[in-house]
Amino acid sequence: QVQLVESGGGLVKPGGSLRLSCAASGFTFSDYYMNWIRQAPGKGLEWVSHISSSGTTIYYADSVKGRFTISRDNAENSLYLQMNSLRAEDTAVYYCARDRDYIWGNYRYTEGFDYWGQGTLVTVSS
Amino acid sequence: DIQMTQSPSSVSASVGDRVTITCRASQGISGWLAWYQQKPGKAPKLLIYTASSLQSGVPSRFSGSGSGTDFTLTISSLQPEDFATYYCQQANSFPFTFGPGTKVDIK
Repeated sequence: QVQLVESGGGLVKPGGSLRLSCAASGFTFSDYYMNWIRQAPGKGLEWVSHISSSGTTIYYADSVKGRFTISRDNAENSLYLQMNSLRAEDTAVYYCARDRDYIWGNYRYTEGFDYWGQGTLVTVSS
Repeated sequence: DIQMTQSPSSVSASVGDRVTITCRASQGISGWLAWYQQKPGKAPKLLIYTASSLQSGVPSRFSGSGSGTDFTLTISSLQPEDFATYYCQQANSFPFTFGPGTKVDIK
């Protein structure tokens, strides 16, 4: 069965760095686009970043652009989020999520996020 | 960026009730809308994609409709396990955005 397991969260000081990992299993990881989505304590969901199956196409939310870097290792079935210059407002549970996609000819569309990990908590505080 | 709004922000309902949640996009998104259910301490679960398609394994009491800017999620007969927070999300363009959520609790 499809499994996504995040790791790497923890307590970090403002301005610090952290690298999150997401280990995928139960599906052909290299076929799927992936995402990071976060949820601040008691708040709603915020999409953070998206990466294509090959890693060549990447998008970020404005709130993290220039500070966070998404990457993947298809040989290791793993997704990563390198987070630098962390701020208090980055405190959240971070989820990795698989794209459910629709392919029509040469075009590919995201329909939603069909599998999510359990999340890893990142706390930015002095 | 496309802004998503939801109404109501919360609803109190009883088992067996019909519940409707509305989601509105700040600009047209065709049918590129998904709905999620989230229970406390758990990851969100995809219920509906492309506005009206039921995700595999999701009970048929959940349905979605709409296109363009206005969408609805309907639970035809609320069950005890449906008490949760529901989010809409547009997948029309980056950055993907979520609505603020609608909490469904017990009356």
